[in-house]
Amino acid sequence: QSVLTQPPSASGTPGQRVTISCSGSTSNIGSNYVYWYQQLPGTAPKLLIYRNNQRPSGVPDRFSGSKSGTSASLAISGLRSEDEADYYCAAWDDSLSGYVFGTGTKVTVL
Amino acid sequence: QVQLQESGPGLVKPSETLSLTCTVSGYSISSDYYWGWIRQPPGKGLEWIGSIYHSGSTYYNPSLKSRVTISVDPSKNQFSLKLSSVTAADTAVYYCARGTTIFGVVGYFDYWGQGTLVTVSS
Repeated sequence: QSVLTQPPSASGTPGQRVTISCSGSTSNIGSNYVYWYQQLPGTAPKLLIYRNNQRPSGVPDRFSGSKSGTSASLAISGLRSEDEADYYCAAWDDSLSGYVFGTGTKVTVL
Repeated sequence: QVQLQESGPGLVKPSETLSLTCTVSGYSISSDYYWGWIRQPPGKGLEWIGSIYHSGSTYYNPSLKSRVTISVDPSKNQFSLKLSSVTAADTAVYYCARGTTIFGVVGYFDYWGQGTLVTVSS
């Protein structure tokens, strides 16, 4: 059972904005950076956001990350069919002394 | 570009040791990054197993630490995972990845292997 909680699913129509939440605590999100990964069906995860809100080269600016207190969010604007995937947040947890992934959110494009 | 490829047996018997190797190409494993293992049981989420630096410095998931050994071989540009006393619960796709540390803790993983399914069954 992960210490980072995400909604199991989210959905939207093409062009809409979808937001995924990641709820943690003072020992993880509250005191460390948050990362987001996208996992397309049958493939390895891909880094989407690092250091809370930074995008690696090649990641469209439709993806944005934010953090406030012990929660973080990933927003996908201008939703596209190719965004249909599982999304995971992650952070270091000082209490566990380990790297933890969120429970994952499956995004469906209607 | 950086590429990682996992290799090892796809089937391991219960109570035995799971052994996987990750071969890195396009980047020297002796350069300034950590190298990690992450797994994903079928239909479930991601779990970090551990990370290693080329010097041998390691971080392990506390819940797996007693059974995990990660080692590095800079001469072959490879790093390896050993997980002992496996059970059916260790059945998963195992990924190797290039990682960072930020302020002394594990950061992000920016390059991943394609993953290899390891099934624990007699």
